[in-house]
Amino acid sequence: DQQVKQNSPSLSVQEGRISILNCDYTNSMFDYFLWYKKYPAEGPTFLISISSIKDKNEDGRFTVFLNKSAKHLSLHIVPSQPGDSAVYFCAASATHNFNKFYFGSGTKLNVKP
Amino acid sequence: GAVVSQHPSRVICKSGTSVKIECRSLDFQATTMFWYRQFPKKSLMLMATSNEGSKATYEQGVEKDKFLINHASLTLSTLTVTSAHPEDSSFYICSARGTANTIYFGEGSWLTVV
Repeated sequence: DQQVKQNSPSLSVQEGRISILNCDYTNSMFDYFLWYKKYPAEGPTFLISISSIKDKNEDGRFTVFLNKSAKHLSLHIVPSQPGDSAVYFCAASATHNFNKFYFGSGTKLNVKP
Repeated sequence: GAVVSQHPSRVICKSGTSVKIECRSLDFQATTMFWYRQFPKKSLMLMATSNEGSKATYEQGVEKDKFLINHASLTLSTLTVTSAHPEDSSFYICSARGTANTIYFGEGSWLTVV
């Protein structure tokens, strides 16, 4: 049973517009979340994180929103750039068992010039 | 920043042989490293947690005798796929926990068993 889900396998956005990637989780013990970006044949690269004490964390063009009651988080990229085209994974962990991260299946973002 | 290096990036081996994948933290010490496997169009699946100087902790359903993990030093963990079969062909990724609890990933290793 997958505890972290990304229901959209792909997303296509025009350059300069906003990209919104969504992630849902089922385990209420999760309190730390991360987004990773992955290019083909490479390992994931850390993008941004958020802990459950916050509902928003911003870093440049990337903002992560957390809705604990809905067990939902989203990554906003604005403005989107062609170089953002990659697969984005969300991951979740419970700080009492911080070693274990559970990943979503990824969303492939394509930013069109 | 922190870098985790994984080697080899691609390996092809014959069915029945063993293959070793190395994961190194290049500029920090990692007492804990993690091994993941990614199936096509699936999420990264945690296989095991590798602890320096002690036995690895395997996730449910992962055969510890088939996927041997050794964490002999604070900068190196190895995954050995023993008696490899074609169904073991996959993308294997390691990660290590750095400062501020950030997880850094290796580049991944494509294993093809023929």
